[in-house]
Amino acid sequence: DTGVSQDPRHKITKRGQNVTFRCDPISEHNRLYWYRQTLGQGPEFLTYFQNEAQLEKSRLLSDRFSAERPKGSFSTLEIQRTEQGDSAMYLCASSLDGVYEQYFGPGTRLTVT
Amino acid sequence: ELKVEQNPLFLSMQEGKNYTIYCNYSTTSDRLYWYRQDPGKSLESLFVLLSNGAVKQEGRLMASLDTKARLSTLHITAAVHDLSATYFCAVDMVLADKLIFGTGTRLQVFP
Repeated sequence: DTGVSQDPRHKITKRGQNVTFRCDPISEHNRLYWYRQTLGQGPEFLTYFQNEAQLEKSRLLSDRFSAERPKGSFSTLEIQRTEQGDSAMYLCASSLDGVYEQYFGPGTRLTVT
Repeated sequence: ELKVEQNPLFLSMQEGKNYTIYCNYSTTSDRLYWYRQDPGKSLESLFVLLSNGAVKQEGRLMASLDTKARLSTLHITAAVHDLSATYFCAVDMVLADKLIFGTGTRLQVFP
């Protein structure tokens, strides 16, 4: 399968713990995006990379959130000191320069207890 | 700030009927996307509309874009149960690549 993959698919953690999610984009795609979706809402943009450069971060991305894409391939999203308000589906998408369509992965559902 | 509004938010319709979902956005954009999401699942791309007057059709769904009115429509023809899902429109900002999503329209088709 050559689609966008995310790991883990589900994560349950206690408040105050750190969590890290991984996204593997479609292999030739140089753009990678992170979105967050809460129940009953549309996805909200968090950040995006072009190759290894992080080009934009949303105001939603507090200093507890950090994202990396060290070699321009897979990306990680880390949340430190999780809070109950962080419970959401975290979606990763990828696209190719000049091709606007973004392809979404299956998402990681985070539950903070 | 770019805002995207969809209506209706919830649509319950009988099989065989036609209906239209509307997507309005607040600032200039030439690209409009429609996605489908099944419960607990990720987003599936349906249509990418890249210019004023663009119309695309796939099966019982047809999408159109009027950039002057800042309006896109998703028309459903002769609905069937398999179309039950949440439909999102999204717009990307000029000179930026992030998608701004609408609140979604939850479609339920019953016999």
